[in-house]
Amino acid sequence: DTAVSQTPKYLVTQMGNDKSIKCEQNLGHDTMYWYKQDSKKFLKIMFSYNNKELIINETVPNRFSPKSPDKAHLNLHINSLELGDSAVYFCASSLWGGGNTGELFFGEGSRLTVL
Amino acid sequence: QQQVKQSPQSLIVQKGGISIINCAYENTAFDYFPWYQQFPGKGPALLIAIRPDVSEKKEGRFTISFNKSAKQFSLHIMDSQPGDSATYFCAATEETSGSRLTFGEGTQLTVNP
Repeated sequence: DTAVSQTPKYLVTQMGNDKSIKCEQNLGHDTMYWYKQDSKKFLKIMFSYNNKELIINETVPNRFSPKSPDKAHLNLHINSLELGDSAVYFCASSLWGGGNTGELFFGEGSRLTVL
Repeated sequence: QQQVKQSPQSLIVQKGGISIINCAYENTAFDYFPWYQQFPGKGPALLIAIRPDVSEKKEGRFTISFNKSAKQFSLHIMDSQPGDSATYFCAATEETSGSRLTFGEGTQLTVNP
């Protein structure tokens, strides 16, 4: 019974293509995130949604567009893929404020390789 | 702008030894300091966390030491085991920010049998 699931787990594609990664959580959380982990394992937040509303939008190229159809889902669409987009993308979820423990629950990641 | 600095980048310890990972932060508004553990092919998972009103928190073999005046905190793994081999991330956040975590750069720990 996976808490945060993302698909696909692996993506190999050519430069210039468009791809999407989907994420779903069954924890009843109201906040979801996308993190990017580069080859040096550094974790950087990209976006955060609270109850379908965008609340964090870091300095990310506008080729990246998140979409949250409901609070249990957060998808990431990437246009015109570049070599530098190769990374592992993690979806995560948490409760928002109001005494939350600050704990993020991460999915297993989607490894994107751009050739 | 790296607000949480972590060291060392990698650490090799013998089984039974003590692993120590250090972190320093800049933002004095941070009020929650978790450590995450990541195994290969998996997402990070919360290991242990501390708030600045205490100087130490222990859970089993894992202890966080916190020095508010120095703006530093560290993870100690006692009696390190090969199964502890993983990448460890310190992090910090303001609880009012809704779990917006700033992560350190990560430490790859290898515990040799």
